[in-house]
Amino acid sequence: QSMLTQPPSVSAAPGQKVTISCSGSSSNIGKNYVSWYQQLPGRAPKFLIFDNSRRPSGIPDRFSGSKSGTSATLAITGLQTGDEADYYCGTWDSSLNGGVFGGGTKLTVL
Amino acid sequence: QVQLQESGPGLVKPSETLSLTCIVSGGSIDNYYWSWIRQPAGKGLEWIGRIYINGNTDYNPSLKSRVTMSIDMSKNQFSLKLSSVTAADTAVYFCSRGWITWFDPWGQGTLVTVSS
Repeated sequence: QSMLTQPPSVSAAPGQKVTISCSGSSSNIGKNYVSWYQQLPGRAPKFLIFDNSRRPSGIPDRFSGSKSGTSATLAITGLQTGDEADYYCGTWDSSLNGGVFGGGTKLTVL
Repeated sequence: QVQLQESGPGLVKPSETLSLTCIVSGGSIDNYYWSWIRQPAGKGLEWIGRIYINGNTDYNPSLKSRVTMSIDMSKNQFSLKLSSVTAADTAVYFCSRGWITWFDPWGQGTLVTVSS
C-alpha cells in the first residue's frame, strides 16, 4: 500500500483538461515538496514537475502542479493522445526518512 | 546531458544476492543523491534507497536489513546489493539521480527475475 494516494484512473477527451490528485500526510506532502512523473508503457518515468509547481526545461506549460496542505494536484490541459500514460507523484517522508510515491494514475484520452 | 544505465544479472536465485550497477555518463557523479527505485510488473514505483557522494545512505525501512549501496566516483558508478531475495523482489530496477524530493534523469531500467 502506497504512502501517497492517487486515483487509479482518470479519463477525458482530447483538448480537455484533467486533474490528478495525490493525497498524503503531515510527514510527507505536508512537510516536503512534491514531484510528478509520466510513465509511458514499457518506458522509464519522465520528470514532469518538481518543487510542487516548477517545470523542468522542455516540459510544456500544459502540465502544471499545485499543492495545498497534505494534498497535491497535477493538471494537464489541451489533452493529446500522446498524454496517455501512468502518472506518479512523489516526495520525501520525514518520519520514515525515505522517498515515497503514489500508487499511480492511468490517464486515458478518450 | 547526464545518462544512467543499469547493468547486472537478469536472473537471480532465491536466497541469493541481487547485484546491480548504475553507470553514469555525460557528466560526473557530483552533488546529488543517487537512488535506486523498483517497479514490479503492473505495479507502482517503490523507492529502495539513495547514496550521496560522501557515502551517506538512506534506505527504505522495509528493505533496510537487506540493502547495501555503494558509490565509486573514480568509475562514475554506484551500486545496489539486495540480499536474501525472494520472488517478491522480481521487478524492473531503475537507477536515478536526484535531490531530496525529485528524481531525474532515470536509467532505462533492468528486469531482475528471482527464480530457481
